Amino acid sequence: TQLLEQSPQFLSIQEGENLTVYCNSSSVFSSLQWYRQEPGEGPVLLVTVVTGGEVKKLKRLTFQFGDARKDSSLHITAAQPGDTGLYLCAGAEAGGFKTIFGAGTRLFVKA
Amino acid sequence: ETGVTQTPRHLVMGMTNKKSLKCEQHLGHNAMYWYKQSAKKPLELMFVYSLEERVENNSVPSRFSPECPNSSHLFLHLHTLQPEDSALYLCASSQDRGYWNEQFFGPGTRLTVL
Repeated sequence: TQLLEQSPQFLSIQEGENLTVYCNSSSVFSSLQWYRQEPGEGPVLLVTVVTGGEVKKLKRLTFQFGDARKDSSLHITAAQPGDTGLYLCAGAEAGGFKTIFGAGTRLFVKA
Repeated sequence: ETGVTQTPRHLVMGMTNKKSLKCEQHLGHNAMYWYKQSAKKPLELMFVYSLEERVENNSVPSRFSPECPNSSHLFLHLHTLQPEDSALYLCASSQDRGYWNEQFFGPGTRLTVL
């Protein structure tokens, strides 16, 4: 069974700080997605990474896919209260149709 | 607004009740999904429909019964649920089934079983 482990489970920081959250697995994925879920809403896709070693930037967010396509990280620079939410990673199993989700990192950014 | 709506947003029901969750997508997508989201657990994929045909059923108890009358609507019929079924139920849609398709999620129905 493929599993995605996310760490930390919870993170509370001050506005302006930098942070990194991680998504790890022992399995290889065809692609990996990051979603953000705000309270009372469903997850919204932030980015999809496909190639091992790929780095994508979305304003203050930097996403990296591991060289072996087993792990990923999300780095946020100068966090803002609007970044508060649950960050989920989701991996697509190689050659299949199934997407596996992690349990998420809950981020709280204090003003 | 993602183009996927769910009703009701909140539902409280007893273990002997029968209720239904509704999902509607306005995106012209061909695939629709039901997920269960419990605190501190990964999203659990329950059912997948592609072109109105159920293509995946992940060992979900029979007290959950999905229905997809057309490509825009998806229902989850609930009967004789257990307290451990309390969770956020999310509906999603994508252009087609397959990991390369972005999934668009609705806001979810928060279900409490007493």
